[in-house]
Amino acid sequence: LAKTTQPISMDSYEGQEVNITCSHNNIATNDYITWYQQFPSQGPRFIIQGYKTKVTNEVASLFIPADRKSSTLSLPRVSLSDTAVYYCLVGDIRSGNTGKLIFGQGTTLQVKP
Amino acid sequence: NAGVTQTPKFQVLKTGQSMTLQCAQDMNHEYMSWYRQDPGMGLRLIHYSVGAGITDQGEVPNGYNVSRSTTEDFPLRLLSAAPSQTSVYFCASRPTGPRQETQYFGPGTRLLVL
Repeated sequence: LAKTTQPISMDSYEGQEVNITCSHNNIATNDYITWYQQFPSQGPRFIIQGYKTKVTNEVASLFIPADRKSSTLSLPRVSLSDTAVYYCLVGDIRSGNTGKLIFGQGTTLQVKP
Repeated sequence: NAGVTQTPKFQVLKTGQSMTLQCAQDMNHEYMSWYRQDPGMGLRLIHYSVGAGITDQGEVPNGYNVSRSTTEDFPLRLLSAAPSQTSVYFCASRPTGPRQETQYFGPGTRLLVL
């Protein structure tokens, strides 16, 4: 599985847009990019997933450049409740034999009032 | 659906004791996994299973055993607890198919080994 690199921490203020970038230089052709959110004392929760270009849902947007060696999670107008740890994962989710999900250290986002 | 359930929520063990952490899901998911999370750290994969009767090792399998006799259950057994196994343990499951966006995590089991 491709290794990912993210900033350890980020600070933001309420109402701002937050962009968290993840590097995955060794991403394979069949790998997808998935982001998870984790609040203290809870298990991670799926946010968004993509393969290339741009994906948007009600929570976030995911930008993936053509070379796919990085991706950016964009959170619009964050609130205090968005304070959490954000994990970027890459892996071949299409394979019927792949159960592995390898998490890195994640990015701790602190939203301030 | 109850989703992914884990028991117990909290457990204290003495060094050398054994115990089993229970994980169950009622969503008929093929894939199940166990992770541990140490304070201030990310999740590390212990073992995973791609279906009943099939298990494989993750990043940190030593000291843990798993079995998958049914689709619903994926227990994690600590053979001889050590203080280094003090952690929060999360179980997760996801369905088959091309997308994994519906992966679910349980609430976690906090384990303290004295």
